[in-house]
Amino acid sequence: AQRVTQPEKLLSVFKGAPVELKCNYSYSGSPELFWYVQYSRQRLQLLLRHISRESIKGFTADLNKGETSFHLKKPFAQEEDSAMYYCALSGLRSGGYQKVTFGTGTKLQVIP
Amino acid sequence: GAGVSQSPSNKVTEKGKDVELRCDPISGHTALYWYRQSLGQGLEFLIYFQGNSAPDKSGLPSDRFSAERTGGSVSTLTIQRTQQEDSAVYLCASSLDSLYTEAFFGQGTRLTVV
Repeated sequence: AQRVTQPEKLLSVFKGAPVELKCNYSYSGSPELFWYVQYSRQRLQLLLRHISRESIKGFTADLNKGETSFHLKKPFAQEEDSAMYYCALSGLRSGGYQKVTFGTGTKLQVIP
Repeated sequence: GAGVSQSPSNKVTEKGKDVELRCDPISGHTALYWYRQSLGQGLEFLIYFQGNSAPDKSGLPSDRFSAERTGGSVSTLTIQRTQQEDSAVYLCASSLDSLYTEAFFGQGTRLTVV
C-alpha cells in the first residue's frame, strides 16, 4: 500500500522557534517525496521536492529511508509560515502508472 | 490554459439536488485527481484518473458520487441527491505521468448544501 501519515493536525510554535512537521510514509519501492503548502485563501502549491535537495523559504526536508520519514524543518519560524502543510508521495503502482498520495495535512500556527 | 481551472468557484444547492463540478486540467497532463477539503480538515482523496480511466476510485464516499473524464482532459465530478455533509471545498489536481513532477491544483469549488 502507498500511504502517507502526518500525525499532527495542528502544530503551534512561537516566532523564532524551530519547526518540525512530521511525515512518515509506507511504500514498497523507491518513492519520490514532496511537501506542499496552502496559505490562507491561496491554492495548494508545491513547497519543495526531495529530488531537488533544495531549501525553500528556509525549509528543508531530509529523506530517512530507515525510518521511512520525510520531516519538514525550519530553524526559525516566521509568522508568514502559518499555513497548512501536506506531505506527498509519488510512486509507481501495479499497472505501471504513477500516483501521488497526500497526507491529511498539518496546520502550522506561528504565534507572534 | 495556464493552470488547472475549476468551475463553478462557488455552488449553493438545496439538499436532494444533483450537482456537477468541472475540472479543466493543464493540457497534456495525463493524471487527474479529485480531493475534498472539509472546513478545518485536510485533504480527503476521492478519485484518480490516468487518461480516461479511473484505476483508483477508493475514496468516493458513497454511490451518490461519480466522476468521469473525457478525451483525456476535462473531468466532471457529480454528486447526486446532495446532503449537508457533502458541503466542502472540492479540489482538482493534475500532473504529468512522471514520478518527479509536481501536482498542480485548481482553486477549488466551494459547495454548500442548504
